[in-house]
Amino acid sequence: NAGVTQTPKFQVLKTGQSMTLQCAQDMNHNSMYWYRQDPGMGLRLIYYSASEGTTDKGEVPNGYNVSRLNKREFSLRLESAAPSQTSVYFCASKPISGGTDTQYFGPGTRLTVL
Amino acid sequence: GDSVTQMEGPVTLSEEAFLTINCTYTATGYPSLFWYVQYPGEGLQLLLKATKADDKGSNKGFEATYRKETTSFHLEKGSVQVSDSAVYFCALLNYGGATNKLIFGTGTLLAVQP
Repeated sequence: NAGVTQTPKFQVLKTGQSMTLQCAQDMNHNSMYWYRQDPGMGLRLIYYSASEGTTDKGEVPNGYNVSRLNKREFSLRLESAAPSQTSVYFCASKPISGGTDTQYFGPGTRLTVL
Repeated sequence: GDSVTQMEGPVTLSEEAFLTINCTYTATGYPSLFWYVQYPGEGLQLLLKATKADDKGSNKGFEATYRKETTSFHLEKGSVQVSDSAVYFCALLNYGGATNKLIFGTGTLLAVQP
């Protein structure tokens, strides 16, 4: 039981390049989330998927797109990377969107955009 | 909107010292409150939670009490260890307000010296 896994762990992009961050969970959770973590700002929600087949914008969605490929996988795409997207990206999952269950976090992807 | 404010770090303590990390919140309705811990190079892990006023969450020697009258959820530990060195995040989840997503504070870095 690996929990939440993310690939890659590190990535360096040039401005304008595109890439997809992958996330998968093996806990049969319905809800999945993408956050970015920046110094002095905590974690901010980019997009989330309350259940398979649905996605919604979070606090900072501009410049990103997501795909809930199936119940296990939730990917985050940067179509044209910008230096402002340099950050650490965390994926998380939760059994259901409501309730007081905790979110389970992956180890993160550290992205640098030059 | 809903928000979480926590004390800025870094907090530097000697081993066996008493720890307090302050957290206050602003929210409508009746949020659940959480403390997450992030060890170096890892994702966030739930440390403890409280779902209603006067509840005390506890885990690994850490405690926090949900105080609705002061809108606070301060984290305490009686005797810290070097292994407690990490970043600590306070967060809220509000079901009664306009949002149903985790709102994080900015994080507090704790460094414990031997």
